[in-house]
Amino acid sequence: DIQMTQSPSSLSASVGDRVTITCQANQDISNFLNWYQVKPGKAPKVLIYDASNLASGVPSRFSGSRSGTDFTFTISSLQPEDVATYFCQQYDNRVFTFGQGTKVEIK
Amino acid sequence: EVQLVQSGAEVKKPGESLRISCKASGYTFTSYWISWVRQVPGKGLEWLGRIDPTDSYTNYSPSFQGHVAISADKSINTAYLQWSSLKASDTAMYFCARHPAMSGWLFYWGQGTLITVSS
Repeated sequence: DIQMTQSPSSLSASVGDRVTITCQANQDISNFLNWYQVKPGKAPKVLIYDASNLASGVPSRFSGSRSGTDFTFTISSLQPEDVATYFCQQYDNRVFTFGQGTKVEIK
Repeated sequence: EVQLVQSGAEVKKPGESLRISCKASGYTFTSYWISWVRQVPGKGLEWLGRIDPTDSYTNYSPSFQGHVAISADKSINTAYLQWSSLKASDTAMYFCARHPAMSGWLFYWGQGTLITVSS
């Protein structure tokens, strides 16, 4: 089974800070990785698809990248409305897998 | 406009059965698969499984195989998630989401159905 290891589990940063979240796959998944934002009581929202593509309507402060089996999600300038939990998701095989999630708060 | 509208919240007792629904509109139902994802309160997202509405082919996460059943009725553009015997650990918010057949792009989601299982 493909396992995704996401870190950190939580972080606190100031408005305007650069925030970075990582996901590591335990085997090659090519670019088959998406990033989602989840706010309490709401459905997940896709931000980045296929590792580095910005979903339609998503602010450009969000970005993603890949290096081998390591994936990075970045918020270039944290805004108050970015308070949420973020998840990576792989879809390389017949079973989708999510990372454990990263809760982002404002310091 | 693509919409996935889920059935309402449910409160059930352990051992009871349940079926929740996800009604699609705004696109050709058989052109996309439907996945089900859950979020236990305060926990992460878990993928349960998916269905091809064209022929009702399904595949499940090993963690949920045998405990839930996914089905679809293409005549009414609706997918279902079903339990024959609920457990307290099934308490969670359940979401449906559509995606292309060979992709995991979960771009459109239902609003979620909260299932509470308690004696």
